[in-house]
Amino acid sequence: AQSVSQHNHHVILSEAASLELGCNYSYGGTVNLFWYVQYPGQHLQLLLKYFSGDPLVKGIKGFEAEFIKSKFSFNLRKPSVQWSDTAEYFCAVTWHMDTGRRALTFGSGTRLQVQP
Amino acid sequence: GAGVSQSPRYKVTKRGQDVALRCDPISGHVSLYWYRQALGQGPEFLTYFNYEAQQDKSGLPNDRFSAERPEGSISTLTIQRTEQRDSAMYRCASSAPGRDETQYFGPGTRLLVL
Repeated sequence: AQSVSQHNHHVILSEAASLELGCNYSYGGTVNLFWYVQYPGQHLQLLLKYFSGDPLVKGIKGFEAEFIKSKFSFNLRKPSVQWSDTAEYFCAVTWHMDTGRRALTFGSGTRLQVQP
Repeated sequence: GAGVSQSPRYKVTKRGQDVALRCDPISGHVSLYWYRQALGQGPEFLTYFNYEAQQDKSGLPNDRFSAERPEGSISTLTIQRTEQRDSAMYRCASSAPGRDETQYFGPGTRLLVL
């Protein structure tokens, strides 16, 4: 079965530090890639997505992610985090399969805590 | 509506009772998905619909779980004879027809089975 791995379960940073959260997925052909964020008390929101084209995608709030096909990775980055970025971040993948299944497979999430 | 809505937001029930969780997708969204999220984990797929047709129910853990979407809009996830292990956040998402398969999530229903 396809899987998604997020290596960092809990990350603590000071404001203005740079962020990189790792995401790897298992091989399975063509993929669509997503990062979702859940702020405290809120629901899952889309940060950014990759379907095709430029492997460096930019999302909301200054986040970006790079798709590296050879490494099966889609790492999330932000040059300078803010206290308001404190949240849980989920990487998610859909694989293009003949079955037509479009369900998301999520990683286990990374809890980011930004200290003022 | 403006976004995906779910009700109730919180549900506390006793073991053995049946519960029904409701999802109202974004207007015009053809596909509707149900996920379950345990504490400290990412959401896990349960089932999904295109219009009123249940396309995939491979994620439903056992036959106590069922879902329907009779008119292709609102969906209900039903859990019969609830057990404590059913306690989790149940999330619904919907997506528009076409190539952009981005799923938009509702606020979730937190279920606690005592």
